[in-house]
Amino acid sequence: KNEVEQSPQNLTAQEGEFITINCSYSVGISALHWLQQHPGGGIVSLFMLSSGKKKHGRLIATINIQEKHSSLHITASHPRDSAVYICAVPEGYSGGSNYKLTFGKGTLLTVNP
Amino acid sequence: DTGVSQDPRHKITKRGQNVTFRCDPISEHNRLYWYRQTLGQGPEFLTYFQNEAQLEKSRLLSDRFSAERPKGSFSTLEIQRTEQGDSAMYLCASSFAVIGGGLNEQFFGPGTRLTVL
Repeated sequence: KNEVEQSPQNLTAQEGEFITINCSYSVGISALHWLQQHPGGGIVSLFMLSSGKKKHGRLIATINIQEKHSSLHITASHPRDSAVYICAVPEGYSGGSNYKLTFGKGTLLTVNP
Repeated sequence: DTGVSQDPRHKITKRGQNVTFRCDPISEHNRLYWYRQTLGQGPEFLTYFQNEAQLEKSRLLSDRFSAERPKGSFSTLEIQRTEQGDSAMYLCASSFAVIGGGLNEQFFGPGTRLTVL
């Protein structure tokens, strides 16, 4: 079973700061998901990436498959970015396609105005 | 299509009662997943369907839990004789998987929060 570790567990920032959240995993994978969850809310998929870097607005995700490590960056953070950020990796393959996910415990980000 | 939907969003029940949750996936998605998330933890896999076939169940899914996806579209998750330890957020996700296609992204519903008193 893949072990997924996230750091930090909690992060408080001032509006405008650059944020980095890290994720490491123990078993090689084909892709990694970054997800966002607002308090009491459902989960929104931010990125699925298998190599290099992806950018969406102020969010940037990078992955190093060899080092089994991924980072999520938020530039010019804003209070509305306050949420739990979760990384998840596929546990295995079914029919040649990845399926069930193993999740990290999440990083609670609070951005103060 | 507005994404994955779940009903109800919240359920409060007394210990020993049965509850049933429903998930409607994105319409063209052939895979449907159920996950459970307890407070302060990441979600954990419970079970998944490829079309109407339930292909895997986690050890977390005791005999009191049953899931169905009768026509390969919506799915239900039933918990019989609920216990306080069943209190959690139950999340549904769906994806479109091509056999041998490798990567497929999962899209999550808003979840059903169950509280067992």
